[in-house]
Amino acid sequence: DAEITQSPRHKITETGRQVTLACHQTWNHNNMFWYRQDLGHGLRLIHYSYGVQDTNKGEVSDGYSVSRSNTEDLPLTLESAASSQTSVYFCASSESEGELFFGEGSRLTVL
Amino acid sequence: GEDVEQSLFLSVREGDSSVINCTYTDSSSTYLYWYKQEPGAGLQLLTYIFSNMDMKQDQRLTVLLNKKDKHLSLRIADTQTGDSAIYFCAEIPDNTDKLIFGTGTRLQVFP
Repeated sequence: DAEITQSPRHKITETGRQVTLACHQTWNHNNMFWYRQDLGHGLRLIHYSYGVQDTNKGEVSDGYSVSRSNTEDLPLTLESAASSQTSVYFCASSESEGELFFGEGSRLTVL
Repeated sequence: GEDVEQSLFLSVREGDSSVINCTYTDSSSTYLYWYKQEPGAGLQLLTYIFSNMDMKQDQRLTVLLNKKDKHLSLRIADTQTGDSAIYFCAEIPDNTDKLIFGTGTRLQVFP
């Protein structure tokens, strides 16, 4: 069965370190998204991609970057982790605009 | 800009009906969506409604749409403990092609 997987599921890091969260989908979807989930804010879009070599900023993109070198993967990089980036991060993919398939999330703690 | 708004918590007794409410931002949104997030998991699309409809029923779920007031609701009949989750409404506003999520409502079902 097709799926979308994230790794690591849990990570603790220190302020200032670079962190990369991986996202891999086998749906062969063109569209991929990264969200963060925080209490009281719901899901907020960080970055998204509509295909290979395409990346776009979402509403909370500062301090994050993505790259899309193939259809299956959209890694999310925190260049210099900050405590404000402690959150749960979700990757999603889709073919149609409204139906997103989500990974199980990556919980990141920045100390 | 405006946010898609939901109340944060709802607690209901098993067997009762649950009603989760949402106020969205753009009366031009073509589709409106409900996603469900079970504990420790990603979001899954639960149901959606086309904007020219005012009601959609799917087994225990009923979606009501009031376009004039930009109000969307999800009714769950005969609520079960397995319905305990966070429910997100979402829309694709006319000025964007991306899904915008509400803040989420945590539904707790007690015996």
